[in-house]
Amino acid sequence: GDSVTQTEGLVTLTEGLPVMLNCTYQSTYSPFLFWYVQHLNEAPKLLLKSFTDNKRPEHQGFHATLHKSSSSFHLQKSSAQLSDSALYYCALSENSGTYQRFGTGTKLQVVP
Amino acid sequence: NSKVIQTPRYLVKGQGQKAKMRCIPEKGHPVVFWYQQNKNNEFKFLINFQNQEVLQQIDMTEKRFSAECPSNSPCSLEIQSSEAGDSALYLCASSLAGQYYAEQFFGPGTRLTVL
Repeated sequence: GDSVTQTEGLVTLTEGLPVMLNCTYQSTYSPFLFWYVQHLNEAPKLLLKSFTDNKRPEHQGFHATLHKSSSSFHLQKSSAQLSDSALYYCALSENSGTYQRFGTGTKLQVVP
Repeated sequence: NSKVIQTPRYLVKGQGQKAKMRCIPEKGHPVVFWYQQNKNNEFKFLINFQNQEVLQQIDMTEKRFSAECPSNSPCSLEIQSSEAGDSALYLCASSLAGQYYAEQFFGPGTRLTVL
C-alpha cells in the first residue's frame, strides 16, 4: 500500500540558513505528491505539489523535486525566515484512491 | 485563502455523548473530506463525499461515526458515542474535483475534547 515518511519530527534552524525537510514515499502507482503548511492555530494549506512532467514546483521561496528513482519529494528553501516556522506535511495521492495520505509532519522552528 | 467553514470551533462532550460538527465546503467544490488530527499532529482520513455520495471511509467511521453531505445543507460528522480517544482536531477539506491530483482546501477545524 501507499505510505509517506517524514523522518524529522522537529527541525530547528537559524534564520538565513537553508531548509531541507525530508519526504519519502511508497506507492504502487505513479503518485502525486504535495506539501502542506500549517501555521499555529491555522488551517493547513497547500504549499506546492508535484507536476506530471519534470517541472519543479516553487512557491514562497520553497521548492521540491519529485525523484521517482529514490521515491522522494524533499522540501527545500535557500534561506529560512522566522515566518517559516510552522508544521509541514508531505502528502501523497494515488490514481487508485480518492484521498491524500499524510506523513506525520515536521515542525520547523526558525530562530534568530 | 480557504473559505471552508467549520462549526463549532470547540466542542466539549462527556464520554458516551454524541458529538456533532458541521462543514460548509468552498462554493462549487463537490468533494468533501474529513480528517482527524490527533495530539501528535498526525492526520487520519475518516471519510469523503462527492456531492451526496460516500466515496471512501475507514472502518472506524463506518462503525462509530455518522456522516452526511446533504444537498443545500452543511456536511456533518457525528460521533455516536464519544470516547476519550476521540479528542482531536477534526478537519474538513474540500476540492474542486475527485481526481487524485486535486488540491484540498482545509477549514480551521473543530477541536473536540471528550472528558
